[in-house]
Amino acid sequence: DIQMTQSPSTLSASVGDRVTITCRASQSISSWLAWYQQKPGKAPKLLIYKASSLESGVPSRFSGSGSGTEFTLTISSLQPDDFATYYCQQYLKWTFGQGTKVEIK
Amino acid sequence: EVQLVESGGGLVQPGRSLRLSCAASGFTFDDYAMHWVRQAPGKGLEWVSGISWNSGSIGYADSVKGRFTISRDNAKNSLYLQMNSLRAEDTALYYCAKDKGGAATHAFDIWGQGTMVTVSS
Repeated sequence: DIQMTQSPSTLSASVGDRVTITCRASQSISSWLAWYQQKPGKAPKLLIYKASSLESGVPSRFSGSGSGTEFTLTISSLQPDDFATYYCQQYLKWTFGQGTKVEIK
Repeated sequence: EVQLVESGGGLVQPGRSLRLSCAASGFTFDDYAMHWVRQAPGKGLEWVSGISWNSGSIGYADSVKGRFTISRDNAKNSLYLQMNSLRAEDTALYYCAKDKGGAATHAFDIWGQGTMVTVSS
């Protein structure tokens, strides 16, 4: 099975900060990686697919990069609406990372 | 409006069965693969099962293989999950999710709001 490891598990940041979340795969997944945002009591929302493609309607402050086993999600300037939990997902076999909670500092 | 609405959750005793349904609307259902994803209370996301547009390709997580069966009825724009031999560890919110493609090899772009399954005596 392909394991996905996110870091950090929790991130404290302020509005306007540049935020980076890392996701590491236990074996190469090429660019078959997605990022999701989940707010409490809500379903996940797709942000990024194919490692770096921005989903329609998602603000351009979100970006993704990487290939193979190392991936990052970057929020260029954190907004109040961005405080949430973020999950990476490899979709060779659909494993999710454990999540990164972005909290208000 | 593109929408997925799950139903069928509830409280069930260990060892019993439950069938979840997901009604799709607002898109051409039989063009896309579909998936079930679950989230235990306070925990992360776990992919459960996926099915291609024509039911020709089906996959299961190891944790449910042999106990759960995914199916779809394209004429009814519906996705199903038959869950047998339920265990306490199956307690979770079950989401229905739409694949961006037809072959169950893409990210999930549309999600329902979930239906809660609680397995307890």
